[in-house]
Amino acid sequence: SYDLSQPPSVSVSPGQTASITCSGDKLGDKYVCWYQKRSGQSPVLVIYKDNKRPSGIPERFSGSNSGNTATLTISGTQAMDEADYYCQAWDSSTVVFGGGTKLTVL
Amino acid sequence: EVQLVESGGGLVQPGGSMRISCAASGFNVSGNYMSWVRQAPGKGLEWISLIFGGGTPYYAYSVKGRFTISRDISKNTVSLQMSSLRDDDTAVYYCARGDTSLDYWGQGTLVTVSS
Repeated sequence: SYDLSQPPSVSVSPGQTASITCSGDKLGDKYVCWYQKRSGQSPVLVIYKDNKRPSGIPERFSGSNSGNTATLTISGTQAMDEADYYCQAWDSSTVVFGGGTKLTVL
Repeated sequence: EVQLVESGGGLVQPGGSMRISCAASGFNVSGNYMSWVRQAPGKGLEWISLIFGGGTPYYAYSVKGRFTISRDISKNTVSLQMSSLRDDDTAVYYCARGDTSLDYWGQGTLVTVSS
């Protein structure tokens, strides 16, 4: 089975840039998307096809994917961005999630 | 407006069965990939099943042989029949539209497996 690895936690100060990584074998050959999951709420797609933003997602969210690592970048992080973030890829007709990263805005 | 509304969760004993459903509006389930994803308490997101049109369903190893995904075009719903339920199946179950990315999610339904 295909595995995606994320750091368990990332901390950032308000207004600074947060980067969350997602690693997997030859991940750059696959499309990666990212979800924001706040406690008690449903996941929200924030990035799809590596770097595309769905309608309504702020421009401060961006993504990249190359080699074995995909990265979600949040520029000018706000308190409301504090949440769990999950990367996801598609492999052999299955959906694969990373373990999730808790973003803390200090 | 696209909406997904899950129903049918609740308390079930270990070894028991339960059926949960997802009612879609604003699009046709027959023309879209539909997935079920769950989140156990304190854990991350786990994909468990996928269906597209009348095609072959796909399952995560953890539920294969126990769970069955289906769709009803006339009602525009997707369902998940769960059997031989175990304690570790306790989770909030979400239905979502998509495959390579899941663009719309329901609010989730809680399934608790406990004696």
